[in-house]
Amino acid sequence: QKEVEQNSGPLSVPEGAIASLNCTYSDRVSQSFFWYRQYSGKSPELIMSIYSNGDKEDGRFTAQLNKASQYVSLLIRDSQPSDSATYLCAVHNDYKLSFGAGTTVTVRA
Amino acid sequence: ETGVTQTPRHLVMGMTNKKSLKCEQHLGHNAMYWYKQSAKKPLELMFVYSLEERVENNSVPSRFSPECPNSSHLFLHLHTLQPEDSALYLCASSPNNRHSNEKLFFGSGTQLSVL
Repeated sequence: QKEVEQNSGPLSVPEGAIASLNCTYSDRVSQSFFWYRQYSGKSPELIMSIYSNGDKEDGRFTAQLNKASQYVSLLIRDSQPSDSATYLCAVHNDYKLSFGAGTTVTVRA
Repeated sequence: ETGVTQTPRHLVMGMTNKKSLKCEQHLGHNAMYWYKQSAKKPLELMFVYSLEERVENNSVPSRFSPECPNSSHLFLHLHTLQPEDSALYLCASSPNNRHSNEKLFFGSGTQLSVL
């Protein structure tokens, strides 16, 4: 079983729409959860972190965590062409950070 | 940019060559990492150094040899690589080490091609 699973996509959304990305993880004792954004040919950059159940909003981004169901999601509201990238879900347990393979999002103008 | 600098950006090497990747962080972090990123696959953690001591070695083949002379510098020495080792190699650093929430700061990566 993969430690962190994401739909690879591509996820295509029209400009202005909501993009919804999902991630599930296998280790129940995981404590910290992150979303990284990676533009083509660039390195990943941290955009969201969440540690407790519920929603966390930062600008157009909302992270949602449900530890009982072992999933974490990312919503991108009012999607812009500049949001086109691969989004990596990462789960932290002890000192190890495990990544999913990423979901590629394409926002069409 | 992110405070983590990697060189070279691109590297092409034959299977009999020896080369080294270099990483330098200017953020005052305590931990440094090497990750391998292959197409459509999750980032694979290769090595972790915390305060210059290696704390993680994820069953990486011996043809990859890390070196961390101080908390700001990290090297990955390569020798007799295989074509399947072709990938993007990312260096990262983080402020804390064990038992802490980890937020990684990545370098731009070295795109390695093994012929």
